[in-house]
Amino acid sequence: DADVTQTPRNRITKTGKRIMLECSQTKGHDRMYWYRQDPGLGLRLIYYSFDVKDINKGEISDGYSVSRQAQAKFSLSLESAIPNQTALYFCASQEGEGETQYFGPGTRLLVL
Amino acid sequence: GQSLEQPSEVTAVEGAIVQINCTYQTSGFYGLSWYQQHDGGAPTFLSYNGLDGLEETGRFSSFLSRSDSYGYLLLQELQMKDSASYFCAVRDNYGQNFVFGPGTRLSVLP
Repeated sequence: DADVTQTPRNRITKTGKRIMLECSQTKGHDRMYWYRQDPGLGLRLIYYSFDVKDINKGEISDGYSVSRQAQAKFSLSLESAIPNQTALYFCASQEGEGETQYFGPGTRLLVL
Repeated sequence: GQSLEQPSEVTAVEGAIVQINCTYQTSGFYGLSWYQQHDGGAPTFLSYNGLDGLEETGRFSSFLSRSDSYGYLLLQELQMKDSASYFCAVRDNYGQNFVFGPGTRLSVLP
């Protein structure tokens, strides 16, 4: 079984709709991250959380919100989706100040 | 602010050696990581340099020079399966987060 899972894997939605992307990890890591990937731009950090009570904005948090429901679960919400939020979204986990981030398989989102 | 630069594309033939460079400008620096991402896949960790010098892991090596704000990933004995995108990532802000470069797409030709 994968250590970091994301649901859904693909999602098509319409402008103005609220959607939630979910992430779970079984590695027992305390730190979790949400990234967005666009062609030619690499991975950009949206939000990160160092434990259940800790939520921090990343480079591109506008238009997004997150919830850390448990140590293993970190969800990303788009309150009112817009077409320029069409992208590939990755969740990642990390153990403390470890050197390695473990990525989920990604969610491909299309906003029409 | 933070910025990282990598070549956008590199092409090489099977069996060859290729070097992918990464230069960075960050406020606070902790270390440099490299990730591999195949088309349609997730990024996977390759290596991390916290100190100057060379780190070797099998066919892959990574180098860091803090004084030059520069690092590279060296891939030896290239195989077709090495065709992928490679991202450098700087650990900054006193180790709080990673900032990723734009990625280098490596194509390995037969």
